[in-house]
Amino acid sequence: ETGVTQSPTHLIKTRGQQVTLRCSSQSGHNTVSWYQQALGQGPQFIFQYYREEENGRGNFPPRFSGLQFPNYSSELNVNALELDDSALYLCASSLAEGRYEQYFGPGTRLTVT
Amino acid sequence: GEDVEQSLFLSVREGDSSVINCTYTDSSSTYLYWYKQEPGAGLQLLTYIFSNMDMKQDQRLTVLLNKKDKHLSLRIADTQTGDSAIYFCAGSGGSYIPTFGRGTSLIVHP
Repeated sequence: ETGVTQSPTHLIKTRGQQVTLRCSSQSGHNTVSWYQQALGQGPQFIFQYYREEENGRGNFPPRFSGLQFPNYSSELNVNALELDDSALYLCASSLAEGRYEQYFGPGTRLTVT
Repeated sequence: GEDVEQSLFLSVREGDSSVINCTYTDSSSTYLYWYKQEPGAGLQLLTYIFSNMDMKQDQRLTVLLNKKDKHLSLRIADTQTGDSAIYFCAGSGGSYIPTFGRGTSLIVHP
């Protein structure tokens, strides 16, 4: 069974740029959630996708957007990057039926300078 | 919305038991979770408990839930140096979206 994978591991961007982060769900999982974890904080929910549709969103501005593909992989896009967007971005997948059990990837560390 | 509070640090000696505590505010939380995060890694789901349970045991892990006081604890028996990590408490309701605490950093001394 393949776990949740994310790419890239690290990246550095400049304020105002755009970034795309990628996630491959655990085999058989059709729901993906994205979280932002600032240094010293717990993860904050950004949004969730189920069957390619957004299925819930946290308190994040519209410049955070996402996609889920038919193979259940997913992207997180962030436009107009701000310094406060520097964080660890975590993807988690789950089965819709048992979606209280979420399995996290290793994360992408984004640094905005 | 849900608010989850945890103490930030806990230091124990190898072989002792560790108890990590958490309080939450939303009485409608249906699921309560404990996650572990090692340095530079994502979160690992350790265990979870449904709100209609008082206790759950899984090998060295024991979760206790006091719904009246909205208090959740995680006990790790025979703590090992490999247990050193940050432990997150989280709760969710019908949306299944967990709200996380800030995490408790567990340091295990040899």
